[in-house]
Amino acid sequence: KQEVTQIPAALSVPEGENLVLNCSFTDSAIYNLQWFRQDPGKGLTSLLLIQSSQREQTSGRLNASLDKSSGRSTLYIAASQPGDSATYLCAGCDTSYGKLTFGQGTILTVHP
Amino acid sequence: IAGITQAPTSQILAAGRRMTLRCTQDMRHNAMYWYRQDLGLGLRLIHYSNTAGTTGKGEVPDGYSVSRANTDDFPLTLASAVPSQTSVYFCASSRTDYTEAFFGQGTRLTVV
Repeated sequence: KQEVTQIPAALSVPEGENLVLNCSFTDSAIYNLQWFRQDPGKGLTSLLLIQSSQREQTSGRLNASLDKSSGRSTLYIAASQPGDSATYLCAGCDTSYGKLTFGQGTILTVHP
Repeated sequence: IAGITQAPTSQILAAGRRMTLRCTQDMRHNAMYWYRQDLGLGLRLIHYSNTAGTTGKGEVPDGYSVSRANTDDFPLTLASAVPSQTSVYFCASSRTDYTEAFFGQGTRLTVV
């Protein structure tokens, strides 16, 4: 059974810092890995999707990498802003019907 | 605006009552999913549908049923609600099983 772990559980940084969020998964036979952002009381917003054949994806200040052999993915946020404050979730897709297995999330606070 | 619409946004329900959570997407996605999000347990898959006319059980299907009569709609029914079904319910969709998943804004359900 796939298990997804995110470290750290919470992170507080000053505005402008570059930061890395970590995600590890136990079953390397994943089809893809997706990073989401969730604001309090809101739904999930997709940030980046990395297919199993890819090593990384970039969108603006965000860069996500995937290393299937080690069972790890990282989300790099450059020049963090207070608006980046949210919970970040990673999810691995490892079944034939597209089920996502989620980590518990990292609560990010960027203070001015 | 294209996306996923869930209704209601929130609901307080008496135990034993029947309730249907509605989900509609206008992206013509083939795959649709229902997840529940609980503190400490994260997001877990309830039911899924890879295409109209087919459904399948996820990780926590007991007490829930779904139908997929057409591409756009994927209602989730609680036949006889119990307090343990108090949760935030998210509907999601993706073009195919392995592509980017998009989530609705959620339904906050409280069973008393």
